[in-house]
Amino acid sequence: VLTQSPATLSLSPGERATLSCRASQVISTYLAWYQKKPGQAPRLLIYDASKRATGIPARFSGSGSGADFTLSIYSLEPEDSAIYYCQQRSNWWITFGQGTRLEIK
Amino acid sequence: EVLLVESGGGLVKPGGSLTVSCVGSGFNYYTYTMTWVRQAPGKGLEWVSSISSGSGHIYYADSVRGRFTVSRDNTKNSLFLRMDTLRVEDTAMYYCVRETPLSLDEWGQGTLVTVSS
Repeated sequence: VLTQSPATLSLSPGERATLSCRASQVISTYLAWYQKKPGQAPRLLIYDASKRATGIPARFSGSGSGADFTLSIYSLEPEDSAIYYCQQRSNWWITFGQGTRLEIK
Repeated sequence: EVLLVESGGGLVKPGGSLTVSCVGSGFNYYTYTMTWVRQAPGKGLEWVSSISSGSGHIYYADSVRGRFTVSRDNTKNSLFLRMDTLRVEDTAMYYCVRETPLSLDEWGQGTLVTVSS
């Protein structure tokens, strides 16, 4: 089980967002983060806990290991408004967190 | 450019059946595990099923096991999800996803399945 916090985050442009994802057991570093906007497919941001996917700006940063992971988004921009999901694969099944809604004021 | 294009969604009555499809292009389709992920209206992402490159390993979420069947045709770069005994709670956007060892790295735009009487 992946538990994300907070459920909602409301910040202003230029600020930093810190999103948390906690696993119910140790999952090494197989942890990915996705951005989901309405009407669009999810987009991979971070894989292997800290590696940015192709084309993802350096403002997006992942960290953590074991059971605690963080997605940091620096210098927030209006287009960062979205729901962010963490995801893990454990043996044969895939699990997503419940999501964090990021609102840009 | 990697492209995944889903099709086959629509309106079906509870208890009915539907097959959704996905065609991949721009990559060596036959070498990748492929996955279906869905998102019900107002809900989060939910993994549905995965199938390995050669179809030797197939996995399902508990919520669909016994009702859904995933398959692929590597000669046509195609992925299928046959859905039987559909329930209202299966209503969702269904995404076809390319899987790597560490992520779900490419997603289609999705096909909408609505189960309603």
